Amino acid sequence: DAKTTQPPSMDCAEGRAANLPCNHSTISGNEYVYWYRQIHSQGPQYIIHGLKNNETNEMASLIITEDRKSSTLILPHATLRDTAVYYCIVRESNFGNEKLTFGTGTRLTIIP
Amino acid sequence: ETGVTQTPRHLVMGMTNKKSLKCEQHLGHNAMYWYKQSAKKPLELMFVYNFKEQTENNSVPSRFSPECPNSSHLFLHLHTLQPEDSALYLCASSQVGLVPFDEQFFGPGTRLTVL
Repeated sequence: DAKTTQPPSMDCAEGRAANLPCNHSTISGNEYVYWYRQIHSQGPQYIIHGLKNNETNEMASLIITEDRKSSTLILPHATLRDTAVYYCIVRESNFGNEKLTFGTGTRLTIIP
Repeated sequence: ETGVTQTPRHLVMGMTNKKSLKCEQHLGHNAMYWYKQSAKKPLELMFVYNFKEQTENNSVPSRFSPECPNSSHLFLHLHTLQPEDSALYLCASSQVGLVPFDEQFFGPGTRLTVL
């Protein structure tokens, strides 16, 4: 079972920051938060992951609350190509456990 | 070729046919995966191969038979499928075991239609 809760859909204006929330209130101490996205009819694409600290890469920023029960993925300057379904996944370390369990995600639509 | 490739991209088959889906990864990874994505449903993990050994079989019907001859290739053999097996079949690979997190790289998928 997916251990995360995400809004089913969101809109964001092109050029603005898109903030996608995720609740994972039952996360345990050794579970990472991963974000993937799936553009229509393509395979999912890894975006970012984190454990406790906030993380940033060339695609996005991940903000994890201090109690780790929720997180926010931030796309700083959304473009039309960011329209996709965004999946928030929590998962233990991959030593002997390779599962990614996808939920239904958030369908993000970037509005011109 | 780079990344993860899948062939064919589209497949239409009858219920009595036998076909195979092929996946190849050019990333030097040691783990490969098959996922199924049906319309309006989340991705479902079907099989995991780690160092060519199957480590996960998520109660998949026997009409789906995976094969992993080496760490770069993964097949999904299909026989006597049902129309409800029509879906997007995705292959992925990752490097596991060195650090406690990994990034799965997905192929473009095979769109399967069973008539």
